[in-house]
This record gives sequence, C-alpha cells and structure tokens, in this order.
Amino acid sequence: TAGITQAPTSQILAAGRSMTLRCTQDMRHNAMYWYRQDLGLGLRLIHYSNTAGTTGKGEVPDGYSVSRANTDDFPLTLASAVPSQTSVYFCASSVETGRSDTQYFGPGTRLTVL
Amino acid sequence: GQNIDQPTEMTATEGAIVQINCTYQTSGFNGLFWYQQHAGEAPTFLSYNVLDGLEEKGRFSSFLSRSKGYSYLLLKELQMKDSASYLCAVEDSNYQLIWGAGTKLIIKP
Repeated sequence: TAGITQAPTSQILAAGRSMTLRCTQDMRHNAMYWYRQDLGLGLRLIHYSNTAGTTGKGEVPDGYSVSRANTDDFPLTLASAVPSQTSVYFCASSVETGRSDTQYFGPGTRLTVL
Repeated sequence: GQNIDQPTEMTATEGAIVQINCTYQTSGFNGLFWYQQHAGEAPTFLSYNVLDGLEEKGRFSSFLSRSKGYSYLLLKELQMKDSASYLCAVEDSNYQLIWGAGTKLIIKP
C-alpha cells in the first residue's frame, strides 16, 4: 500500500500567495497531523484531526488552516504565505488518538516562501 | 514549559556501540518514542517505552526512567546505514507528541 502521500514534493511560493499542501492516506487511520520541521528545532504540530469532520489546533497554528472532509484526506492551506513559513511540512497519521499509537509520516513537502 | 533535550550530533565507528540520550520535562507523560530520520526523508518509528526499563529490538534498545525524566537509545553493531538523525518524542497528558530537535549520528568506517 502507498501509506501516506503528500503533494507537491517541493514548491517555491511568492509571499502573499496562497497554497494548499495535499495529504492522503490509505490506511483508514482516524487521526491525522500536520507538522513543520525547521533546522535546529523539533517537529512542531500545526493542526491535527482526531477523526473525519473534526480538527484541532496544535502548537503553531497561526497562518494555517485545515479541513477533514473524509477519512483519507487532510489538506493544509496557507492563506497568505510569509517567509517564516519556509519549512519542510510533514503529514502523519495514526490509528487513533489518546492511546499512544505510532504515527506514520508522509515523505514531506519542502516549501520556500520568497 | 515543555522541553526535550538531546545532543545535536554524535560520531561513532562502524561496528561499535553508541548511546543517544534524551532528557525531558513535559506536562504529563504517556510514553516516549524514538524515531529514525534519514536525510531528506520522513521519520520512521523505532521504539516506544511507557514503563521503566529496557526494551530490546534487534540491534536497537531503548531505556526509560520516568523518575529521572530520562531515556536513551542504544545502537549496537553499527552499520553505515545507521547514519541518520534520531528523534526523541514524549507524549504529554493530552497525548500530543513533544519532539526533541534530534541527534545527527555520523558513522565512520
């Protein structure tokens, strides 16, 4: 199985433009997550979803929005990109939240905002 | 605040043993994970500890002391493919993962 896929692999974006990062999983996991990874820092949670139809804010949600219309897809939208959003973005999923399930990660999207 | 500390970088020799330490201060504790991340790739799960003691899985072992807020990952019989970053993550009282910045392990022949 594919597991988790993300698109695009990389992107250069002009500041002020909007963009949606796509994430799809085929494992029928209920929980999904968006993280950003910056040099010298640990992964930081942006938004999460415990199940289809629900979303929650993580540690660094400002400037980002998410939706969870179905089990498989969890897109992340930057409404008006700023250079500080330059980062590598990872989508992850787990069977459930609240019971220490392993998180499985997609390959990442490398985003540069100029 | 919540904090996870790991060494930034370590170097070891092929065939040797290396121990990567992780200390943590978090709001609650529901378990500690170790992930491996090769350069340019996604993190992949290595181990999970929730009780004190040593968990062994092949060449890799992970130890936890909850009273000391301390864990280590032990890698034996190092191979060149073990060159990667190793991420320590603690699950807090809300079952959210708090991540360390990772330890870059360089293996030399």
